[in-house]
Amino acid sequence: GENVEQHPSTLSVQEGDSAVIKCTYSDSASNYFPWYKQELGKGPQLIIDIRSNVGEKKDQRIAVTLNKTAKHFSLHITETQPEDSAVYFCAASYLGGGADGLTFGKGTHLIIQP
Amino acid sequence: DVKVTQSSRYLVKRTGEKVFLECVQDMDHENMFWYRQDPGLGLRLIYFSYDVKMKEKGDIPEGYSVSREKKERFSLILESASTNQTSMYLCASSFIGVVDEQFFGPGTRLTVL
Repeated sequence: GENVEQHPSTLSVQEGDSAVIKCTYSDSASNYFPWYKQELGKGPQLIIDIRSNVGEKKDQRIAVTLNKTAKHFSLHITETQPEDSAVYFCAASYLGGGADGLTFGKGTHLIIQP
Repeated sequence: DVKVTQSSRYLVKRTGEKVFLECVQDMDHENMFWYRQDPGLGLRLIYFSYDVKMKEKGDIPEGYSVSREKKERFSLILESASTNQTSMYLCASSFIGVVDEQFFGPGTRLTVL
């Protein structure tokens, strides 16, 4: 089955700086790579996703890049703000019809220092 | 707004008890999922369902079963709770189709004593 590794487990950055979280996956058949943000006391919420036919996707201050050859993808957050503090999860899945459970990384606790 | 609700935020049970965790979604999603979340382990898929009365095992199904009698409701059952099932349980739902965003409930923190 799929295996997703995520690094680092904790990341502390100064407010206004950039943050980068990296993930690798094992199954070359995976073609869908979402990122979820989990705030304290809440369930994870999708913030951005990318499919294997795209190398990069951007949405305001967040961007995701995908390197299919190396089987890794990254989340980039620029101009970090206090509300970016949360746990971030990467995931991988194969979208082939029917239900598709996501395989998640272990999470990164992002701390924005004022 | 999509809403996924879970029957309890906190639950305390004793070893050996039968435990039911309920999840309801209001967006007519075909897919529903149960995950458990443990510190340092992330989210792990227990079971999922793509239709009423259909179920598929995830990565860690041992000790759990599920029931989906209605499209909007997906139940996770611990037949005989054990202390190693103390965890946060998250339910999610999604459409079948090109867009695969999963919508999560707030979670149930289960403690088995």
